[in-house]
Amino acid sequence: IQMTQSPSSLSASVGDRVTITCRASQSISSYLNWYQQKPGKAPKVLIYDASSLQDGVPSRFSGSGSGTDFTLTISSLQPEDFATYYCQQSYSNPRTFGQGTKVEIK
Amino acid sequence: EVQLLESGGGLVQPGGSLRLSCAASGFTFSSYAMTWVRQAPGQGLDWVSGISGIGGGTYYSDSVKGRFTISRDNSKNTLYLQMSSLRVEDTALYYCARDRVYCGRGNCFLRDASDFWGQGTMVTVSS
Repeated sequence: IQMTQSPSSLSASVGDRVTITCRASQSISSYLNWYQQKPGKAPKVLIYDASSLQDGVPSRFSGSGSGTDFTLTISSLQPEDFATYYCQQSYSNPRTFGQGTKVEIK
Repeated sequence: EVQLLESGGGLVQPGGSLRLSCAASGFTFSSYAMTWVRQAPGQGLDWVSGISGIGGGTYYSDSVKGRFTISRDNSKNTLYLQMSSLRVEDTALYYCARDRVYCGRGNCFLRDASDFWGQGTMVTVSS
């Protein structure tokens, strides 16, 4: 299953609402996860099963979608949110990732 | 505290072999499926392989199938990745990661996310 994220990168300001989309090449039901990765660090899961917030993740992060189209939204971008975000499908093996979306400071 | 510590990376020539290890602590290792994910320098995440909690199910990406073997020793709380016939394109930082869902004594490999990750071990394939 191919996962395609858009955009590949974006520039935003603190306080902005940011939306990242992920499209699967076939239906994956709601088996979609979102990760955040900062430079030199391991990925961190933010959202699992398309819309469930991982424990300890701030509520400004939210996920939606089902089937083939999914969205990660950051309601009010904070300085610590500048990072690269990846979607991953866990519907079937191999659990493929999207190519990533880099969120940069405007 | 959950901890995952990878080791075994290094420089190897094309065609060579290497075995990675991931020492786990802070949780009941045998009750969780585990995965390996790699990241080539400056590139995105690439899922490599996964294994169920009791090791009965193993899964691979097409790019490593037949060359890599995932295994685990639950008595040692350790995950392994045996890599052979290595190629230049296998050069990457290799992470081990734990699945989120507790499987108990089941042989499950669920449709799941990875909630804890190690810091990675670097594998460089070059002549």
